[in-house]
Amino acid sequence: KAGVTQTPRYLIKTRGQQVTLSCSPISGHRSVSWYQQTPGQGLQFLFEYFSETQRNKGNFPGRFSGRQFSNSRSEMNVSTLELGDSALYLCASSERQGDGYTFGSGTRLTVV
Amino acid sequence: DAKTTQPTSMDCAEGRAANLPCNHSTISGNEYVYWYRQIHSQGPQYIIHGLKNNETNEMASLIITEDRKSSTLILPHATLRDTAVYYCIVRVPLSSNTGKLIFGQGTTLQVKP
Repeated sequence: KAGVTQTPRYLIKTRGQQVTLSCSPISGHRSVSWYQQTPGQGLQFLFEYFSETQRNKGNFPGRFSGRQFSNSRSEMNVSTLELGDSALYLCASSERQGDGYTFGSGTRLTVV
Repeated sequence: DAKTTQPTSMDCAEGRAANLPCNHSTISGNEYVYWYRQIHSQGPQYIIHGLKNNETNEMASLIITEDRKSSTLILPHATLRDTAVYYCIVRVPLSSNTGKLIFGQGTTLQVKP
């Protein structure tokens, strides 16, 4: 079974731009969660989607948004990028909401 | 805020058992203890979880104290590839409110030759 796939692996953007990150969950998994990891704040929950609906949201500004498609694939978008948005963005999927999570390898975003 | 407390770092000799402690004194009756680890630049990897009984799988053993206020993850024969940050998390599985995992700072385990 293929694991959780995140694309792209690395990304460099300029302040003020927007970015879209993609996550393909394990086949059959319907729940997708997103996390941001920085050296200062560690791993922080962004949001979770289940059956195309956002079920949980972390404490991040409205510039961070996401969506889930009918095939369970998910995207997250960050608008008006700031230097502090530089981080490893991780996606995790599970078969059912609240079940065991499998993480992808992440997208490393650098904002310059 | 994280509901667990772990030491910041630990060392272990290769081939020896690594015992990683975790305090979760405010754990609720329906919360499980989960362990994940994160090897440098990769996503966290699930290791094991348990409610109150000791658990063992091919990766590790989990010992939970009788009062459930603390637990220990045991890697029986640590290898260099076990060098990672280990996270202890308490949560209620299969709950609509726990789609999020609350990670603390974790324990950085350094396995040395």
